Amino acid sequence: AQSVTQPDIHITVSEGASLELRCNYSYGATPYLFWYVQSPGQGLQLLLKYFSGDTLVQGIKGFEAEFKRSQSSFNLRKPSVHWSDAAEYFCAVPTAMNSGGSNYKLTFGKGTLLTVNP
Amino acid sequence: GEEVAQTPKHLVRGEGQKAKLYCAPIKGHSYVFWYQQVLKNEFKFLISFQNENVFDETGMPKERFSAKCLPNSPCSLEIQATKLEDSAVYFCASSQYGRVPYGYTFGSGTRLTVV
Repeated sequence: AQSVTQPDIHITVSEGASLELRCNYSYGATPYLFWYVQSPGQGLQLLLKYFSGDTLVQGIKGFEAEFKRSQSSFNLRKPSVHWSDAAEYFCAVPTAMNSGGSNYKLTFGKGTLLTVNP
Repeated sequence: GEEVAQTPKHLVRGEGQKAKLYCAPIKGHSYVFWYQQVLKNEFKFLISFQNENVFDETGMPKERFSAKCLPNSPCSLEIQATKLEDSAVYFCASSQYGRVPYGYTFGSGTRLTVV
């Protein structure tokens, strides 16, 4: 089954510094991949998604992610972090719900907590 | 509306009591999904609906958990006799399509605390 791994449980960066959050996927074919953000006490907000085509994907809030098949990775990046970016970040991959593979649920990584220092 | 509305935001139950959570999907969305977030991070898929029909319930602890999505009513997730381990945040999501979940919208969750 498709799965994603987020190797970093907790990352701390200074405000204004660049950020890269790692996500590795396990899937033979080209996967669909998602990044979500969860602010404290909030639900999940979709930052960006990759389906096919251009391997560099632009998202909301200044985030981007690059799909690298050779490394089985879909790392999330931001050139300059703001204090409001402090949150939990989740990488996710669709998993088929039926044998026909036509309907999907999301399988999440375990998340990376981002702390931003002033 | 354009948001998935989950109620209540917080729910406290004594062990063995019943808990009922509600989710109003975005109008026009045919698919509803319930996830359980335990230990702050891990998301566990519970059940999905296509309109009022259960589509996938492989994640549901069936002996105590049940869920419904009836026409013209919020969807519900009910735990008959809560246990301490049921303490979690329960998220609902809705989607216009089930084929590829690019249209998922999540609610802000219900935090269930079992004491």
